[in-house]
Amino acid sequence: EADIYQTPRYLVIGTGKKITLECSQTMGHDKMYWYQQDPGMELHLIHYSYGVNSTEKGDLSSESTVSRIRTEHFPLTLESARPSHTSQYLCASSEWGQGKDTQYFGPGTRLTVL
Amino acid sequence: GENVEQHPSTLSVQEGDSAVIKCTYSDSASNYFPWYKQELGKGPQLIIDIRSNVGEKKDQRIAVTLNKTAKHFSLHITETQPEDSAVYFCAASAYTGGFKTIFGAGTRLFVKA
Repeated sequence: EADIYQTPRYLVIGTGKKITLECSQTMGHDKMYWYQQDPGMELHLIHYSYGVNSTEKGDLSSESTVSRIRTEHFPLTLESARPSHTSQYLCASSEWGQGKDTQYFGPGTRLTVL
Repeated sequence: GENVEQHPSTLSVQEGDSAVIKCTYSDSASNYFPWYKQELGKGPQLIIDIRSNVGEKKDQRIAVTLNKTAKHFSLHITETQPEDSAVYFCAASAYTGGFKTIFGAGTRLFVKA
């Protein structure tokens, strides 16, 4: 079983609040990812990182930001939450290199913005 | 852009029957094809994967087949059990200087007891 953790698991918050979703992995993986999963199940890549000090935007435009100061930690921040941010957020990690691209997912954070 | 199409979006089978989920990819550079199972309230978990130098791979009741010429790959679950009920995702990954993994839209599988 993969060692990747997300906190909180559930969060209900009011509009305008700043929130940070935490993601940590203990596998020493270089690559990390954030996905937004809509009620229709589909996974949308919103951010990823190749390693420390690397952050890239994904395919789906997002008002969130990420940082990668430590290999094991990849937090996602929303400066001002809105109801449209209500969703499931999944963090994942993988090794870097040919033949090492399996992604391992955390349990997810269910965010509800009122 | 590159994409992965997954069918069906919903599949209902009787316990003990087989279930087949099919995916088609567009990027001919794709060489790694993982399948994930997502249970309610959890993140997706890898259940089986296949690389482009292999045509078929089996792990107990689960098998994956790959047809690179047709850009098709499929997940086969035999002797389905109620605990197989979940959402299944296929994905295709290509290494072109950096990895690009594209997920299918998911299949919700119901196994009726």
